[in-house]
Amino acid sequence: SQTIHQWPATLVQPVGSPLSLECTVEGTSNPNLYWYRQAAGRGLQLLFYSVGIGQISSEVPQNLSASRPQDRQFILSSKKLLLSDSGFYLCAWSVGRSSNQPQHFGDGTRLSIL
Amino acid sequence: DQQVKQNSPSLSVQEGRISILNCDYTNSMFDYFLWYKKYPAEGPTFLISISSIKDKNEDGRFTVFLNKSAKHLSLHIVPSQPGDSAVYFCAASKPPTTDSWGKLQFGAGTQVVVTP
Repeated sequence: SQTIHQWPATLVQPVGSPLSLECTVEGTSNPNLYWYRQAAGRGLQLLFYSVGIGQISSEVPQNLSASRPQDRQFILSSKKLLLSDSGFYLCAWSVGRSSNQPQHFGDGTRLSIL
Repeated sequence: DQQVKQNSPSLSVQEGRISILNCDYTNSMFDYFLWYKKYPAEGPTFLISISSIKDKNEDGRFTVFLNKSAKHLSLHIVPSQPGDSAVYFCAASKPPTTDSWGKLQFGAGTQVVVTP
């Protein structure tokens, strides 16, 4: 069966510091991968999605970037964090290209910027 | 632009009764709708989905209804159990294309509390 792992679970970082969050998926090949952010009291906002190695689409202009160095690895990064980057970051995966399929989420990373 | 809206931030229901969660959408291009359940400090868990060619889909205690003319969907949980206490998100997506493929638009969520 497929599993998704995100780490770390919580992270406290000072303003201006770099960021690297990692997500890996097991049990499937060539998954579609996503990064979401949930701000307090709000729904999930799609940040990036990827349909293959090195293929990244950005949804909103922001201080973050994403990379997919391997088929089942998705990384969210920032060179200099802002206070507004605080939130709950979720990685998700799905399969298939020709029809809609549900996305399945990891347990998220709670990021606090001080 | 919030294309998927859950206008009730919270819902309290007695154990054994029916929970009804509502969701409205504005984009008539959406053709696939999902409900997710989320516990604190965890990622959302997929519950049930429905395609726009249907108006009802059932899975155990969970039933999703879709009213395309009203651009409205609802999730019914019968009977409600204490373990159902969580935040429920509805989500929607358009048909897959090269530039809108796989993207889900989420509502803000409804907090459900099931009381004994």
